[in-house]
Amino acid sequence: EVQLVQSGAEVKKPGESLKISCKGSGYSFTSYWIGWVRQMPGKRLEWMGVIYPDDSDTRYMPSFQGQVIISADKSISTAYLQWSSLEASDTAMYYCARQRDKPYFDSWGQGTLVTVSS
Amino acid sequence: EIVLTQSPGTLSLSPGERATLSCRASQSVRSSYLAWYQQKPGQAPRLLIYGASSRATGIPDRFSGSGSGTDFTLTISRLDPEDFAVFYCQQYGSSPWTFGQGTKVEIK
Repeated sequence: EVQLVQSGAEVKKPGESLKISCKGSGYSFTSYWIGWVRQMPGKRLEWMGVIYPDDSDTRYMPSFQGQVIISADKSISTAYLQWSSLEASDTAMYYCARQRDKPYFDSWGQGTLVTVSS
Repeated sequence: EIVLTQSPGTLSLSPGERATLSCRASQSVRSSYLAWYQQKPGQAPRLLIYGASSRATGIPDRFSGSGSGTDFTLTISRLDPEDFAVFYCQQYGSSPWTFGQGTKVEIK
């Protein structure tokens, strides 16, 4: 069974850094792109970017380029999403998801809620 | 960037009724690269349809997708109590991939 298990909820202050994770199992982790999707409270889903864990080839949506870093450690089948300096506007649920041969997502993590508040 | 507009915003129906959800794109979606997802409260989205009309693994055949170009439709032939949720369309024909704002299907 394909599973993506994300790290737990985080509460941070503005200006702090954060790295959340997404561990894949039940499939060949290095053979599929992993994407990150943001869902702000009551808003639509937003594709942030994707990474190919085998060679760490990474693509970002323009509005997220330079705002976050997506990385992966294929030795432990884990992808990451990180911020160097959080803002209140980063408060959202973040999902990782496995991308199929085309950029749609067939398996999703349970989500990581990130709350940024002073 | 392709903007997807879903309608209606909310659909109030009873179990057993037919649901028809619309997704309209601001420009033509290449090769009908459009997917539909279902999201229940507190859960991650679940892939229902890809390629505009292909059902994902394990999805019941009461769910069907159709359309091309700029107009796409998700139809649920007979609503099951477990189907009530928010539904999102997503285009992946042109980067950046974008999602619609969602249609909520609620119990009448």
